[in-house]
Amino acid sequence: DTGVSQDPRHKITKRGQNVTFRCDPISEHNRLYWYRQTLGQGPEFLTYFQNEAQLEKSRLLSDRFSAERPKGSFSTLEIQRTEQGDSAMYLCASSPGQLATNEKLFFGSGTQLSVL
Amino acid sequence: AQSVTQLDSQVPVFEEAPVELRCNYSSSVSVYLFWYVQYPNQGLQLLLKYLSGSTLVKGINGFEAEFNKSQTSFHLRKPSVHISDTAEYFCAVSPARSNSGYALNFGKGTSLLVTP
Repeated sequence: DTGVSQDPRHKITKRGQNVTFRCDPISEHNRLYWYRQTLGQGPEFLTYFQNEAQLEKSRLLSDRFSAERPKGSFSTLEIQRTEQGDSAMYLCASSPGQLATNEKLFFGSGTQLSVL
Repeated sequence: AQSVTQLDSQVPVFEEAPVELRCNYSSSVSVYLFWYVQYPNQGLQLLLKYLSGSTLVKGINGFEAEFNKSQTSFHLRKPSVHISDTAEYFCAVSPARSNSGYALNFGKGTSLLVTP
């Protein structure tokens, strides 16, 4: 168990550029979640996958945000035409399955995005 | 929808003193409740969770929390804190039955600062 891995740890970009973040969940975890955390706030749910299926995406912040998990393993989160308001920590989490009695979310350390 | 209010943004406490971090939630349906901890430069870790059954829940590192349905609260307590407990603590809620992958709604967090 190597934990949830996110890459890169930090990303600095100029407004209007596209960025993509990668998340590698714990092996064999079939659920994968993306959250966003801004300064002084708790994490905010964005989307989640059950294997390769994206089962909830209505809470993605705008149509500039999209996520994929093509083979049910790693996932990418892309932000197109970045804006300064997109600056935040983007967190990925995984879990073995349906959140239930003995399960919990395992979070990565996040990708810190700064949009200049 | 569910929401969480963490009543204190910062809690300073001396080492070996007791501490209580307050959390109130709002929901029209049954909920699951969680406390997560975020140490500096680390990912969120689950401290404890309430799903059903006994309202007193014990977690890791000597923490416990009590679910109070009538007061819609889930306060976190520790009888004697250590310097190493200094961290950000997040209360979170999810609907007990959901088609949205049990996405968590987090509070804004409480910063616990333990000093000698």
